[in-house]
Amino acid sequence: EVQLLESGGGSVQPGGSLRLSCVASGFNFNNYGMTWVRQAPGKGLEWVSFIGGGGGTTFYADSVKGRFTVSRDNSKKTQYLQMNSLRVEDTAVYYCAKNSASGTKSFDYWGQGTLVTVSS
Amino acid sequence: QSALTQPPSASGSPGQSVTISCTGTSSDVGGYNYVSWYQQHPGKAPKLMIYGVNQRPSGVPDRFSGSKSGNTASLTVSGLQADDEADYYCSSYGGSNNVIFGGGTKLTVL
Repeated sequence: EVQLLESGGGSVQPGGSLRLSCVASGFNFNNYGMTWVRQAPGKGLEWVSFIGGGGGTTFYADSVKGRFTVSRDNSKKTQYLQMNSLRVEDTAVYYCAKNSASGTKSFDYWGQGTLVTVSS
Repeated sequence: QSALTQPPSASGSPGQSVTISCTGTSSDVGGYNYVSWYQQHPGKAPKLMIYGVNQRPSGVPDRFSGSKSGNTASLTVSGLQADDEADYYCSSYGGSNNVIFGGGTKLTVL
């Protein structure tokens, strides 16, 4: 059974930093790209980042480019999202998602999310 | 790139069919067969319902179907059931190594 478990969320002041983690199980982690998607309170979904299976390919939404860094440790079956220079508008539930094998830019498994609150 | 456009709400009675639209541009929805649909119940994580415009993942009932015409994709839910009441989000490859989501549609089963 595929499982994704996020952690690392919490409350931080504007300008601060947080690192989110997502531990995966139930599939060959090395073989799949991974994605972060966020959802502000009461709002829709927003794609944040992608990292390829080997970790050498990364892409970011314009809204986080230069502030967020995605990485992965395949030996630990874990992906990370380092979030720096946090803004109030980064407040959201952050979901870790597994990219589908089909290459159709879809996400077939999601974690339950971790809440990040940026507030003074 | 802007979010894809979805109606804020849709509704239908049990057993009926309802269709939710998702409008983009020729640079996203119209340019690629990479449209997906996700179902999200309150307080839960999204669930993939349709990928590749019209493909259903294993375990998703065939009451859910997807299609695309030009820059508009559609999700049809037939034989509505109470548990279908949820938020539905479309997404598409945006053409610049990104994915764009729609604003979401709240489906109410009357």
